[in-house]
Amino acid sequence: GDSVTQMEGPVTLSEEAFLTINCTYTATGYPSLFWYVQYPGEGLQLLLKATKADDKGSNKGFEATYRKETTSFHLEKGSVQVSDSAVYFCALSEQGAQKLVFGQGTRLTINP
Amino acid sequence: DTGVSQNPRHKITKRGQNVTFRCDPISEHNRLYWYRQTLGQGPEFLTYFQNEAQLEKSRLLSDRFSAERPKGSFSTLEIQRTEQGDSAMYLCASSPGTSGGTDYYEQYFGPGTRLTVT
Repeated sequence: GDSVTQMEGPVTLSEEAFLTINCTYTATGYPSLFWYVQYPGEGLQLLLKATKADDKGSNKGFEATYRKETTSFHLEKGSVQVSDSAVYFCALSEQGAQKLVFGQGTRLTINP
Repeated sequence: DTGVSQNPRHKITKRGQNVTFRCDPISEHNRLYWYRQTLGQGPEFLTYFQNEAQLEKSRLLSDRFSAERPKGSFSTLEIQRTEQGDSAMYLCASSPGTSGGTDYYEQYFGPGTRLTVT
């Protein structure tokens, strides 16, 4: 079945550091890919998405590119802030399917 | 606030009791989803509705679990004869569905109901 694998956390960085959180997927078709973020005490929020190969999703300084050849959707940000501290989830949804399949999440802590 | 709401936010119950959770989706969203999230894991899909029709159920949804969306608006998730393994965060999400030939599939999540079974 479909699955998503994220780099293990937790990840701790200093403010203004470069961030990469790796995400790879296994799917039978051509899924849409998502990053969701969960801030402390809040619900899951959609951060960005990409629906086909080579699409780049971006939001709030975060970017991720849909790489079909490597089945990856790595999340990047050039300069992180303390307010980016949260848990980040990579997810996919197969075409025609409705459910999201999530990775296990990566906890990110940014120190000032 | 026009987001997805869930009630209660927290529920503590004794093993063997029945519990019911409620989810109110974003107004006019046709699709409603339930997920379960255990500590340190990503959410796992349980079931989803298109309007009032329950179209898919996960194998995770045992016979003790039942979900309804009677008028295509709010939804309830009931767990009968709760077990300690049912302790988790239960998440509800909604999405617009199809409009004008376009499938709007982004899911918007509520804050969740945290269930603790003692």
